[in-house]
Amino acid sequence: DVVMTQSPLSLPVTLGQPASISCRSTHSLVYSNGNTYLVWFQQRPGQSPRRLISKVSNRDSGVPDRFSGSGSVTDFTLQISRVEAEDVGVYYCMQVTHWPYTFGQGTKLEIK
Amino acid sequence: EVQLVESGGGLVQPGGSLRLSCVASGLTFRNYWMSWVRQAPGKGLEWVANINRDGTENHYIDSVRGRFTISRDNANNSLYLQTDSLRAEDTAVYYCAVPPWEGYIDVWGKGTTVIVSS
Repeated sequence: DVVMTQSPLSLPVTLGQPASISCRSTHSLVYSNGNTYLVWFQQRPGQSPRRLISKVSNRDSGVPDRFSGSGSVTDFTLQISRVEAEDVGVYYCMQVTHWPYTFGQGTKLEIK
Repeated sequence: EVQLVESGGGLVQPGGSLRLSCVASGLTFRNYWMSWVRQAPGKGLEWVANINRDGTENHYIDSVRGRFTISRDNANNSLYLQTDSLRAEDTAVYYCAVPPWEGYIDVWGKGTTVIVSS
């Protein structure tokens, strides 16, 4: 199985400051069609997950543009340009290139 | 409004069974692969199973293969997960979800809780 490793696992951030989460996979996430199926989810406290970004960098409709995704092959990053209070929660990367689909351990973002 | 509503969770003894259900509304259910995802208490997410649009193809993670069965009824916009031979490690919130694929909408249910304990 593809193992997804996130860092850091805990991320205290001051309001208005940037934040960055790293996600690394043990296998290339490039599919046979050339696409890379790396997804980022946000899970706010007490809520179901919400997709933020698909295919490395494609932001979902309604997701603020302060969220951005980048990376390639096995190394990916989620960046938040200016953290707001509503961004508190756990962030997961997930690969859907290979079955079984696998998630990172999650990064808990909190406000300092 | 697109909505997925799960039901069927509960407290069950080890070795027991539960049938989880998910009813979809606001989307053309038959056009989508569907999935079950679970989250153990205080833990991360685990993608459990997928089923294709007409129910003829499915995929499971190793830890549930042979014990869980995913199925669907497109006439009633419903997804199911039959869970048999339950173990303590199956204790989790089970979410019904659409796979996060290109071109697919992002929609999750609120989850149904399964507790396996004697």
